[in-house]
Amino acid sequence: ELKVEQNPLFLSMQEGKNYTIYCNYSTTSDRLYWYRQDPGKSLESLFVLLSNGAVKQEGRLMASLDTKARLSTLHITAAVHDLSATYFCAVDASSNTGKLIFGQGTTLQVKP
Amino acid sequence: GAVVSQHPSRVICKSGTSVKIECRSLDFQATTMFWYRQFPKKSLMLMATSNEGSKATYEQGVEKDKFLINHASLTLSTLTVTSAHPEDSSFYICSARDARRTSYEQYFGPGTRLTVT
Repeated sequence: ELKVEQNPLFLSMQEGKNYTIYCNYSTTSDRLYWYRQDPGKSLESLFVLLSNGAVKQEGRLMASLDTKARLSTLHITAAVHDLSATYFCAVDASSNTGKLIFGQGTTLQVKP
Repeated sequence: GAVVSQHPSRVICKSGTSVKIECRSLDFQATTMFWYRQFPKKSLMLMATSNEGSKATYEQGVEKDKFLINHASLTLSTLTVTSAHPEDSSFYICSARDARRTSYEQYFGPGTRLTVT
């Protein structure tokens, strides 16, 4: 059974600081997703990582994937208040089915 | 980008009644759609895979007779919560993948908040 674990589950940080959210998964998968969720809202797609060594960046967020270590990271650079949200990673449960198994989510709170 | 809609966005119903939630892909065709539920401050849990023209595939522990799924066309899947109880109150989110694209991107609907009184 595929398990996806994120840490930390809660992160409070000051504006301008850097931090990394980690996503570990238990079985082989070459497709990993990062989403953002604001309170009361649905999911916003951030990144889709499709291969070992993939790195994608958008603004202050950068995601990477190491399929051998079964680890993805979401790095936040110089955080701003607008990044406050819950971030989920998700892994495709089996090859190309589209069934996503989600991590627990990391709630990020950026303080001015 | 691709858009997925859900209707209704919010519904309140009484115990014992049934509620239907629609999920539509607005500008693409989706042979497969997915239904998730999310409890407050929790993660998303996959309930079932909705397959166009065939039976849905349910995840372990999800009652297929309680959560009826119909995927009658390439752009519409419906989830009916039958004989709803307060413990069915949750945020239900659908997602779809564009059958003609290879990007593996999944598009999520805005969600339906169900409250059973």
